[in-house]
Amino acid sequence: GDSVTQMEGPVTLSEEAFLTINCTYTATGYPSLFWYVQYPGEGLQLLLKATKADDKGSNKGFEATYRKETTSFHLEKGSVQVSDSAVYFCALLQMEYGNKLVFGAGTILRVKS
Amino acid sequence: NAGVMQNPRHLVRRRGQEARLRCSPMKGHSHVYWYRQLPEEGLKFMVYLQKENIIDESGMPKERFSAEFPKEGPSILRIQQVVRGDSAAYFCASSNGETQYFGPGTRLLVL
Repeated sequence: GDSVTQMEGPVTLSEEAFLTINCTYTATGYPSLFWYVQYPGEGLQLLLKATKADDKGSNKGFEATYRKETTSFHLEKGSVQVSDSAVYFCALLQMEYGNKLVFGAGTILRVKS
Repeated sequence: NAGVMQNPRHLVRRRGQEARLRCSPMKGHSHVYWYRQLPEEGLKFMVYLQKENIIDESGMPKERFSAEFPKEGPSILRIQQVVRGDSAAYFCASSNGETQYFGPGTRLLVL
């Protein structure tokens, strides 16, 4: 079945460091891909999305490019802030069997000042 | 424009009691999804509903769990005779297309 694999955390960075969180997927067809962010004690917020190959999603300095050839959707940010500390989830939309999101396990990001 | 609303935010139940979780979708959204997040894990799909219809319940446990989205009022996720293993965060999402928007979740603790 469809699945999403994320790099294990926690990822600990200093403020202004470069961030990469790896995400790869296995799916039939070409699903839409998403990154969600969860701050402590809160729900998930949509961070960015891409709906087809070579699309780049971007928001708040975060970017991810849909790479069909490597089945990847890695999240990047050039300069992280302490306020970026959160859990980041990569997900694909499985439309063939009922329009549901399949999530990775999540990656904890901790940014130190 | 109000987002997805869930209540209660926290719910404590003793083993054997019933838990009722409510979700009001974003205005104009007719699709509702429920997901469960167990401690230290990602979210797992439970059920997808449209008004008065269950579209996909492939992620729902076969017993004790049920969901509805009536013509009027919020969607309800009902857990009967709760057990300690039901302790988790339950998130509702709504959409009117491809992108799902999530509520703040209900954190259920079973004592």
